[in-house]
Amino acid sequence: GNSVTQMEGPVTLSEEAFLTINCTYTATGYPSLFWYVQYPGEGLQLLLKATKADDKGSNKGFEATYRKETTSFHLEKGSVQVSDSAVYFCALNSGAGSYQLTFGKGTKLSVIP
Amino acid sequence: DGGITQSPKYLFRKEGQNVTLSCEQNLNHDAMYWYRQDPGQGLRLIYYSQIVNDFQKGDIAEGYSVSREKKESFPLTVTSAQKNPTAFYLCASSIVQSSYEQYFGPGTRLTVT
Repeated sequence: GNSVTQMEGPVTLSEEAFLTINCTYTATGYPSLFWYVQYPGEGLQLLLKATKADDKGSNKGFEATYRKETTSFHLEKGSVQVSDSAVYFCALNSGAGSYQLTFGKGTKLSVIP
Repeated sequence: DGGITQSPKYLFRKEGQNVTLSCEQNLNHDAMYWYRQDPGQGLRLIYYSQIVNDFQKGDIAEGYSVSREKKESFPLTVTSAQKNPTAFYLCASSIVQSSYEQYFGPGTRLTVT
């Protein structure tokens, strides 16, 4: 079946530090890959996505590249801000008729001034 | 403004009572989903529906029921058979396409005592 594994948190960084959150996946076929962000007490918001191999998704300074050879979709940001403190979820949609999202367990990021 | 609304934000019930969570969308999306979120466990799919009057069980459907009588609405009932109902419940919608993201509502936090 499909699965997503992301690095366990929590992750604590100082403002302006470099961020990497690792995400690897197992899926049949050619899945679409997503990063969602959840601020405290809220629903999830799409951060970025990539729908085919070698695509790079980017938004608000965050980037992730769809690497089929390593089945990875790592999230990166060059300089984090306090406002980036949230929980980040990696997810995939393998299509195949159900169009469900399979989520990783989430990584909590705290950025301190 | 298009989006997904969930009500109420917080819900309290006594053990043994059924409770219904509301989810409405005005995005004209065909597919709707219910997820349960527990600390450290990511999101787990309860039920999903791709068209009106049809829905499918997700990974943890036991103790829950849904209906899809209108395209815009997908209410979730948490029955007394659900052993651990206290959780954060998220509703989402999308078009039926694997590369398309799901849009999430703000969530309902249910506490059963």
